[in-house]
Amino acid sequence: SQKIEQNSEALNIQEGKTATLTCNYTNYSPAYLQWYRQDPGRGPVFLLLIRENEKEKRKERLKVTFDTTLKQSLFHITASQPADSATYLCALPNSGYSTLTFGKGTMLLVSP
Amino acid sequence: DARVTQTPRHKVTEMGQEVTMRCQPILGHNTVFWYRQTMMQGLELLAYFRNRAPLDDSGMPKDRFSAEMPDATLATLKIQPSEPRDSAVYFCASGLSYRAGEQFFGPGTRLTVL
Repeated sequence: SQKIEQNSEALNIQEGKTATLTCNYTNYSPAYLQWYRQDPGRGPVFLLLIRENEKEKRKERLKVTFDTTLKQSLFHITASQPADSATYLCALPNSGYSTLTFGKGTMLLVSP
Repeated sequence: DARVTQTPRHKVTEMGQEVTMRCQPILGHNTVFWYRQTMMQGLELLAYFRNRAPLDDSGMPKDRFSAEMPDATLATLKIQPSEPRDSAVYFCASGLSYRAGEQFFGPGTRLTVL
């Protein structure tokens, strides 16, 4: 099964800066990868899906890259705001593309 | 707006008691997932249904956990007997099997077993 690594230490940044979160995986490279946001006391919320042939995808202030050679995805939030403070999880499908395996997530703290 | 609902939101019980958690998936979604989240293990898949049929429950301790979908609007996760190590947040999620795995999560049930 897929092993996913996300930085367990919280990322602290100042408002207005760009936050960059990393997701590394160890086994097969899937056809796509997803990112979710989780706020305290709530369930994860889907943000973005990037396919293996897309390399980069943008949605408003979010940008995701997917490097199948490095087995890594980077998640960027530009012009970060305190409201972006949350835990961000990456998720990869299993080999049968029926279920997802989630990373443990990285907490982002944006200070004003 | 459509969302996954879960009840109860919080449950405190004593070791050995039966616990039943319920989930109403988004209408029209044909896949339902049960997850457990802890600080140590993160989000772990317990069971998975497609069109109400259980397809994978390999993540569940079989001797005490059971998951069912009596109809398309209700999924249940039961623990009997409960143990302190079952204390966690349990999430239900639903989705469409042809939509590249995007999942919609409920608010979770926070279970504390004393």
